Amino acid sequence: DTAVSQTPKYLVTQMGNDKSIKCEQNLGHDTMYWYKQDSKKFLKIMFSYNNKELIINETVPNRFSPKSPDKAHLNLHINSLELGDSAVYFCASSQPGQGIRNTIYFGEGSWLTVV
Amino acid sequence: GENVEQHPSTLSVQEGDSAVIKCTYSDSASNYFPWYKQELGKRPQLIIDIRSNVGEKKDQRIAVTLNKTAKHFSLHITETQPEDSAVYFCAARRGQAGTALIFGKGTTLSVSS
Repeated sequence: DTAVSQTPKYLVTQMGNDKSIKCEQNLGHDTMYWYKQDSKKFLKIMFSYNNKELIINETVPNRFSPKSPDKAHLNLHINSLELGDSAVYFCASSQPGQGIRNTIYFGEGSWLTVV
Repeated sequence: GENVEQHPSTLSVQEGDSAVIKCTYSDSASNYFPWYKQELGKRPQLIIDIRSNVGEKKDQRIAVTLNKTAKHFSLHITETQPEDSAVYFCAARRGQAGTALIFGKGTTLSVSS
């Protein structure tokens, strides 16, 4: 039973292409996130959704467009891919509030390589 | 917004030694401070966390301390083992709905036997 699952795990594509990464969580959480981990291992927040509503949109190029069809899914679409988009993209989820529900759970990551 | 600084960036210890990683945060409204361990090619996984109403928490060989006044928190690993080798991240966040974890830049811990 994978709590946060994302597909594909590996993606190699050419510059200029458009690609999507899908994410689903079965934890019943209200909040989902996309994080980007670059080659230096830095984990940077990109987007946050709470109950399908966009909460956080960090300084991410508008080529990146998240979409949340329901609170269990948060997909990431990337247009006109550039070399600098090569990274690992992690989907995550959490339940807002206090106690153990504050924990953020990560998916296994999607390794995107733009050539 | 929140900014989290983490030191050192790399740490090498001998098996059995202790390891300490330190972080500072900037947002006084942050109230949740987790630590994640990331092994090569894997996802970050929570190893311990602490909330702002607690000063110290321990779980077997790992412990975390929090100084809210100084906005410092630290991870302590005792009796290190080779399998502790990984990248460790500290993070901070507020409790409001939708707020994200803001991560430090990570510490690569190497434990040699």
